[in-house]
Amino acid sequence: GAGVSQTPSNKVTEKGKYVELRCDPISGHTALYWYRQSLGQGPEFLIYFQGTGAADDSGLPNDRFFAVRPEGSVSTLKIQRTERGDSAVYLCASSLESRETQYFGPGTRLLVL
Amino acid sequence: AQTVTQSQPEMSVQEAETVTLSCTYDTSESNYYLFWYKQPPSRQMILVIRQEAYKQQNATENRFSVNFQKAAKSFSLKISDSQLGDTAMYFCAFVNSGGGADGLTFGKGTHLIIQP
Repeated sequence: GAGVSQTPSNKVTEKGKYVELRCDPISGHTALYWYRQSLGQGPEFLIYFQGTGAADDSGLPNDRFFAVRPEGSVSTLKIQRTERGDSAVYLCASSLESRETQYFGPGTRLLVL
Repeated sequence: AQTVTQSQPEMSVQEAETVTLSCTYDTSESNYYLFWYKQPPSRQMILVIRQEAYKQQNATENRFSVNFQKAAKSFSLKISDSQLGDTAMYFCAFVNSGGGADGLTFGKGTHLIIQP
């Protein structure tokens, strides 16, 4: 079946702009995760959804970052007033249930100029 | 706090050799899951192998096997008969099976290069 998909693949924006990154999980997976991977580092957890609700948003760095999953499937990560330090690869993963094996999408590379 | 340490930033071996990547972790929990993920230049994180902490038997997947030492909190990955396609970043990751953070905690990765 289809894996996790993410759009866009790459996004270039200017400092101060608003961006939205989309994640389409594997069909039937109730758990969805967002991670941020800076150059030369491992991914860092941002937020976890179980169904439609954000069950754990402890990894969001500040209130400029927000994510939604209104129908329990597709999720959107939203970043307001982008800063150059937000430049990174944003990875999405989904799993059948919480704490089960996570399957990752190809990521969105965000570059803030 | 949970931490995962990968002490080898980069390793290089010849094709067909066996290579072992090291990983240590720190947790106060007794039940958890450990993973190795591979990330080629395409950025796609691919699951290599998974280990449940309650299982004493080491997980294996074809040429990939782990040496899980629970008391030492060590989880190394052995790749046998290495192939050029194994060249990638390899990340060790951890998640508690009960409470605590829901997301995976990753190490910084090991860049594995397989030389022809």
